Amino acid sequence: DAGVIQSPRHEVTEMGQEVTLRCKPISGHNSLFWYRQTMMRGLELLIYFNNNVPIDDSGMPEDRFSAKMPNASFSTLKIQPSEPRDSAVYFCASSPPRRLAGGGTDTQYFGPGTRLTVL
Amino acid sequence: GNSVTQMEGPVTLSEEAFLTINCTYTATGYPSLFWYVQYPGEGLQLLLKATKADDKGSNKGFEATYRKETTSFHLEKGSVQVSDSAVYFCALLVIQGAQKLVFGQGTRLTINP
Repeated sequence: DAGVIQSPRHEVTEMGQEVTLRCKPISGHNSLFWYRQTMMRGLELLIYFNNNVPIDDSGMPEDRFSAKMPNASFSTLKIQPSEPRDSAVYFCASSPPRRLAGGGTDTQYFGPGTRLTVL
Repeated sequence: GNSVTQMEGPVTLSEEAFLTINCTYTATGYPSLFWYVQYPGEGLQLLLKATKADDKGSNKGFEATYRKETTSFHLEKGSVQVSDSAVYFCALLVIQGAQKLVFGQGTRLTINP
């Protein structure tokens, strides 16, 4: 089975340009997460969706960032306009429906990441 | 609030050495605890997990025991290999309301032959 698919794997752009990162979650998973990883701040949750609906976007740094999930098999994270401080590795992760009994453990499955460099 | 504190790295060991990476947490509610591993150039992979106090998670020779009394989930391996070189992340998930993993800062492990 394919894991979480992210594209592009690497993106180099200039300050002020729009950047769109893409994610295809594992089939059957109903939760999707966007994370950002930097040396300074570690792993940060930006936003997560459940059944295509944004549940918590409190980690989105500012209005320049937006995320959508138009259907169960696709999500985008857009930065407009991009700035050098947005340079990071952006990960998408998905998780399956929570088990009905006992709460479950909600394992998240991560994609390979998109390394973004904003010059 | 919920937080995870990990042993600061980097950690460098020789092959076949014993490994411990410390992890302590603060949480409201009853968290599940995880160790994720990130190999160079890759995304995070689940290494092991535990869902309640005194549970032991294990995988690939790694073990961690959920200690509620000390709010800890230390990662151990009896004999490390060069292929274990990676960054290790401790994380917690509180299964109430929002489904959010809270990660520690990561510990970089290097194993020398």
